[in-house]
Amino acid sequence: KAGVTQTPRYLIKTRGQQVTLSCSPISGHRSVSWYQQTPGQGLQFLFEYFSETQRNKGNFPGRFSGRQFSNSRSEMNVSTLELGDSALYLCASSLGTDNSNQPQHFGDGTRLSIL
Amino acid sequence: GEDVEQSLFLSVREGDSSVINCTYTDSSSTYLYWYKQEPGAGLQLLTYIFSNMDMKQDQRLTVLLNKKDKHLSLRIADTQTGDSAIYFCAESIRTGGFKTIFGAGTRLFVKA
Repeated sequence: KAGVTQTPRYLIKTRGQQVTLSCSPISGHRSVSWYQQTPGQGLQFLFEYFSETQRNKGNFPGRFSGRQFSNSRSEMNVSTLELGDSALYLCASSLGTDNSNQPQHFGDGTRLSIL
Repeated sequence: GEDVEQSLFLSVREGDSSVINCTYTDSSSTYLYWYKQEPGAGLQLLTYIFSNMDMKQDQRLTVLLNKKDKHLSLRIADTQTGDSAIYFCAESIRTGGFKTIFGAGTRLFVKA
C-alpha cells in the first residue's frame, strides 16, 4: 500500500510570500500530523488533524495553519514567510482512533528554503 | 512535563552491537517508538513498544524499557554501515487525542 506522500519535495520562496504544502496519508489513516525539522530545534510538532478537525496544536505562531479534507488529505499553509521558516516539513499519518495509539508513518518531507 | 532526551552521537565498528539510550519524563506514555532517518528522507518507523512491556525483539533490533526509570534503549546487533543514520526516540502521550514527543536524535556512525 502506498506510503505518505508529500508534495512538493523542494520549494524556494522569498520573505513575505506564503506557501502551501500538501500531504496525502496512507489509505485508511484519518490522523495527519505536521512537524518542522531544523538542525537547531530538531523535530517540533505543529498540529494534528483528525476527521477534518484540528485535535492538537504545538507552539507555533498563527502564520502556520492547516486543514484536512474529507478524504484525509491535509494541507499546511505558512503566510508572511520569514528566513527562520527554512526547514524540512514532515507529515505523518496514523489510524488515529481515540482508543488506540497507533504509530505514525512519515512522508519524505518538503524542504522549504526562504531567500 | 514532556521531554525526551538522548545522546547526540554514537560511533561503533561494523559488526559490533550499538546501544542507543533515551530517557523520557511523561509517565502517561502509552507507546514508545524508535525511528530512523537517513539523509534527505523522512522518518522510518523501526519498532515500537507498548508501555506495559519490558522488552521487544525484532530481528537485529532489541528494545528494552525500564518504566520505573523512564529509560528506553535500542540495541542493534551486528551493526552494518547501512545502519548509519539518525535514530529518534519518541513517546506518545494522550492529550485528548494523542501527541508524539521526539528526542533530538542520536547520530550513529558505523566505521568499516
